[in-house]
Amino acid sequence: QKEVEQNSGPLSVPEGAIASLNCTYSDRGSQSFFWYRQYSGKSPELIMFIYSNGDKEDGRFTAQLNKASQYVSLLIRDSQPSDSATYLCAVDTGGFKTIFGAGTRLFVKA
Amino acid sequence: DAGVIQSPRHEVTEMGQEVTLRCKPISGHDYLFWYRQTMMRGLELLIYFNNNVPIDDSGMPEDRFSAKMPNASFSTLKIQPSEPRDSAVYFCASSFQTGAWIEQFFGPGTRLTVL
Repeated sequence: QKEVEQNSGPLSVPEGAIASLNCTYSDRGSQSFFWYRQYSGKSPELIMFIYSNGDKEDGRFTAQLNKASQYVSLLIRDSQPSDSATYLCAVDTGGFKTIFGAGTRLFVKA
Repeated sequence: DAGVIQSPRHEVTEMGQEVTLRCKPISGHDYLFWYRQTMMRGLELLIYFNNNVPIDDSGMPEDRFSAKMPNASFSTLKIQPSEPRDSAVYFCASSFQTGAWIEQFFGPGTRLTVL
C-alpha cells in the first residue's frame, strides 16, 4: 500500500511568519511530487511541483525534496491570512497515478 | 476555457438508489481522474483514464461503483445501489501530458449525500 503521510494540524502561525509543512511518502520509486492548496469548500489547486532533490522556489513558496529520506516539505514565507487553507501533498507513483496525503490545515493569524 | 465541469453540484438521494455523476474535462486534455474526498479518508483516487481508456481502477471501492468515458469530452461515475457510507465530495480532474509530469485541474466537485 503506497502511502503519503502528513500531519493533519492545525498549524497556526502569525502573519508574516514562515509556515513549514511536511510530508513523507513510502514508495521509493516515486519521481514527481506536488503541493496542492484547498480552501474550505473548494477544489484543490496546484501551487508547487518538484522532481529533483533540493529546493525549488516560486515567490513566497519553497518546496524541498529529499528522496533518500523520502521527505517533501513546503515553506511559505511572509505568511498571509489568505494562505489559510488545507495543503495537500501528492506523489506520482508511476504512470501519473497520484496519491494524496490527508492534508495539513494551516491558519495564519492576523 | 470553462475549466472542468461537473454535474450535479449537489445530490441528495436515498439508500439503494442509483446515482450518476458527470464530468466534462478541459478540451484537449487526455487524462481524466475521479477522486472521492471525506474527512476520514482524505482525497482518494478511484479511477483514471488516458485517451478514454481506463488505466487503473484499483481505487474503486467495490462493484457498486463503475466509471465510463465514452468520448474525450465526457465521463460518468455511477453508484448502484448507493449506501450512506458513499456520502462524500466527488471530484473529477483532467490533465494534459506535456512532459514527465502533469498538472491536474480539478472540477468544483459533486457533494453526494445518501440518506
